Amino acid sequence: SQQGEEDPQALSIQEGENATMNCSYKTSINNLQWYRQNSGRGLVHLILIRSNEREKHSGRLRVTLDTSKKSSSLLITASRAADTASYFCATATYQAGTALIFGKGTTLSVSS
Amino acid sequence: GAVVSQHPSRVICKSGTSVKIECRSLDFQATTMFWYRQFPKQSLMLMATSNEGSKATYEQGVEKDKFLINHASLTLSTLTVTSAHPEDSSFYICSARDQKRGNQETQYFGPGTRLLVL
Repeated sequence: SQQGEEDPQALSIQEGENATMNCSYKTSINNLQWYRQNSGRGLVHLILIRSNEREKHSGRLRVTLDTSKKSSSLLITASRAADTASYFCATATYQAGTALIFGKGTTLSVSS
Repeated sequence: GAVVSQHPSRVICKSGTSVKIECRSLDFQATTMFWYRQFPKQSLMLMATSNEGSKATYEQGVEKDKFLINHASLTLSTLTVTSAHPEDSSFYICSARDQKRGNQETQYFGPGTRLLVL
């Protein structure tokens, strides 16, 4: 099953620009997480935001969460070529042992 | 930090054979592990939840007789793709929670296993 829907599906920007990706989900959640995946590689955990939080920062990353709209956004500021990757949101609803459910992802391409 | 390993990282097999993929939590115990599948240019789809000492819980549409999951210890879960076919070719990723840290939020992902069935 899939919970989140990211948009855009693909995003191409120049180095130094900001990149914004959005994620919408369907059910109530306990937290929402963002992951990065370089082509053909494993996942890298970026940031987690809880359902009672509205905004969170980590370095060049800024995540917002709007539970009333069931949506989240990931902003990467001053992007670099190394940020080129696929980005996924994943939601968690905590009953015992519940897995993360991933969105479809946004493919970000940052050109120098 | 917590580390999850997978073995093998890549495997090529002939159609009709079975392939076993291991997922290990290296420095923590995990009563629950998760198996995901990712097709090219797509997202991760949850296949099943692996519970130590009990039967796995499979997502709708995932054949439990084809994807055998065994979680025999607190540090190891295995996924066996039985009678593999070319359509089973995919990237298989496991994840685990560290039960002792009491952190229900953080999952640790393995590096993935790329399966190619010829």
